[in-house]
Amino acid sequence: EPEVTQTPSHQVTQMGQEVILRCVPISNHLYFYWYRQILGQKVEFLVSFYNNEISEKSEIFDDQFSVERPDGSNFTLKIRSTKLEDSAMYFCASSADRDTGELFFGEGSRLTVL
Amino acid sequence: AQKVTQAQTEISVVEKEDVTLDCVYETRDTTYYLFWYKQPPSGELVFLIRRNSFDEQNEISGRYSWNFQKSTSSFNFTITASQVVDSAVYFCALRSSGGYQKVTFGTGTKLQVIP
Repeated sequence: EPEVTQTPSHQVTQMGQEVILRCVPISNHLYFYWYRQILGQKVEFLVSFYNNEISEKSEIFDDQFSVERPDGSNFTLKIRSTKLEDSAMYFCASSADRDTGELFFGEGSRLTVL
Repeated sequence: AQKVTQAQTEISVVEKEDVTLDCVYETRDTTYYLFWYKQPPSGELVFLIRRNSFDEQNEISGRYSWNFQKSTSSFNFTITASQVVDSAVYFCALRSSGGYQKVTFGTGTKLQVIP
């Protein structure tokens, strides 16, 4: 069964460093998302991406964050200068259909900022 | 604005008991989708069900069943004859049609099934 894959599964970084989280969505999907879950809290929407541009973003997704689909298969989330509060599980998701399709989530990338 | 409320933070049941997880949602949209996701201790999010706002028929899938009541804006999830493998955090979620699938999650209910 096709699945969304994310790398790395866990990354530890120093505050102020740049981090790139990578995702390979399901191949025929057109809509891509990043969500974040701070430990023990709910899953929060960060950004949606369609047709090579951001279609919606939340207040969390400030100038420190950026997304890219550099090569038609990978979908990346970059955090330019990490802060302690960026420590969280980051989930990538993709969907084939904007209106009716469910989101298929990856297994998450745990980011720890020291 | 959309909101999903899962009032039960944690529930513990003994194996083989039935358990119902509550979910209440708020939206101004007439067309929307409701979801349940399971998050086991390993951390991934596992899709369980999607329901659209026009389909109030209850659904059963094995030991899982869902009760969607538009009149009370609720979408409750029942596990029959619970098993230890059901231990996880369960999230109810909502998406309104027309958006780019921004999904609003509830705060989750942690279910512990005791053998």
